[in-house]
Amino acid sequence: QKEVEQDPGPLSVPEGAIVSLNCTYSNSAFQYFMWYRQYSRKGPELLMYTYSSGNKEDGRFTAQVDKSSKYISLFIRDSQPSDSATYLCASRGVYNQGGKLIFGQGTELSVKP
Amino acid sequence: DTEVTQTPKHLVMGMTNKKSLKCEQHMGHRAMYWYKQKAKKPPELMFVYSYEKLSINESVPSRFSPECPNSSLLNLHLHALQPEDSALYLCASSHGIGSYNEQFFGPGTRLTVL
Repeated sequence: QKEVEQDPGPLSVPEGAIVSLNCTYSNSAFQYFMWYRQYSRKGPELLMYTYSSGNKEDGRFTAQVDKSSKYISLFIRDSQPSDSATYLCASRGVYNQGGKLIFGQGTELSVKP
Repeated sequence: DTEVTQTPKHLVMGMTNKKSLKCEQHMGHRAMYWYKQKAKKPPELMFVYSYEKLSINESVPSRFSPECPNSSLLNLHLHALQPEDSALYLCASSHGIGSYNEQFFGPGTRLTVL
């Protein structure tokens, strides 16, 4: 079992839709959770960074962590064609020195005009 | 400024060539990373440098040789690569290697080995 599981998609939505991207993780020690956006042939861009459980909002993006169910989500409101990219979730434990990120497989999102 | 730069953007090399990838950051970060990413896969960690010292080597073949000449620069020396080493090579940096540190990625070098 992978430590972080993510549905690879692809996911296709119409412009303006609310998008929900999800990951599950198995390691209870994970405390830090990140979402990266990666456009085709580019490097990953850090979108959201959260610690432990709760919500974090930034513009149209909301990251949610539910540690009781080991579930992390990214919501995109009023999705735009420019949101079309691969979204990677990543986690790290408190005691995981060395900075190693554990990535999900990535979900490919396409927002159609 | 959260920018990590990488050169070259693209590199094509033969299996007998020696080449180097370069990475630079001016954010004062003391941890730098090399990742390898194949198509439709997540990045895979290769090396971690902390305060210019190699901290982690994820069992990477010796044909990949990292170097950290100073706190802003990270190189990856390539020699006798195989076609299966063709991938996007990503550099990243963070303030430190502690788990709470955010990692910022560069745009990557797309490597093709013929």
